[in-house]
Amino acid sequence: GAGVSQSPSNKVTEKGKDVELRCDPISGHTALYWYRQSLGQGLEFLIYFQGNSAPDKSGLPSDRFSAERTGGSVSTLTIQRTQQEDSAVYLCASSLALGVQETQYFGPGTRLLVL
Amino acid sequence: AQSVAQPEDQVNVAEGNPLTVKCTYSVSGNPYLFWYVQYPNRGLQFLLKYITGDNLVKGSYGFEAEFNKSQTSFHLKKPSALVSDSALYFCAVRDIGGTGGFKTIFGAGTRLFVKA
Repeated sequence: GAGVSQSPSNKVTEKGKDVELRCDPISGHTALYWYRQSLGQGLEFLIYFQGNSAPDKSGLPSDRFSAERTGGSVSTLTIQRTQQEDSAVYLCASSLALGVQETQYFGPGTRLLVL
Repeated sequence: AQSVAQPEDQVNVAEGNPLTVKCTYSVSGNPYLFWYVQYPNRGLQFLLKYITGDNLVKGSYGFEAEFNKSQTSFHLKKPSALVSDSALYFCAVRDIGGTGGFKTIFGAGTRLFVKA
């Protein structure tokens, strides 16, 4: 079946512009995660959605970052007034559920470059 | 809150030799532990996980890991390395019943080089 998809695959923007990154999780997966991976670094947790529960936003680095998940499916990560330090690969993952079925399936990522 | 450490930035091993990639963790509750692999120009892929039960977990591509609660470790192992195992490996932990909420924390990654 289809995996996690993300769009765009690459985004180049100018400092100060807003960007929107999209994630389509695997159908039926209730949990959705956003991470950031800077060059040569590990994954930095950003935000987590589970079903209809309030999201865990504790990893968002500043109030310029926000995310929403509409209808329990597609998610959009928005970065306002982008800065050069926002340049990274943004990864989305989904999992069927928590607990025993808690395996995250990752999308290919969106590579963001802020000039 | 939880944390995870991968003390080696890089591990070098000859093909056919056993490999170990180390991971230690810290949680306030109980851990769910995961290993993921990132091959060059490919996305992150799940390898194996410990949720409960047997401390020795077997996963994809012949990899296994042992959950050691007393040493708070979850080292990744393979009896005989292949050149195709060369990749970036991430250990991850979620803190169950502790203060970490639902977030999964990833280590910084260990780059494995297997030489022919």
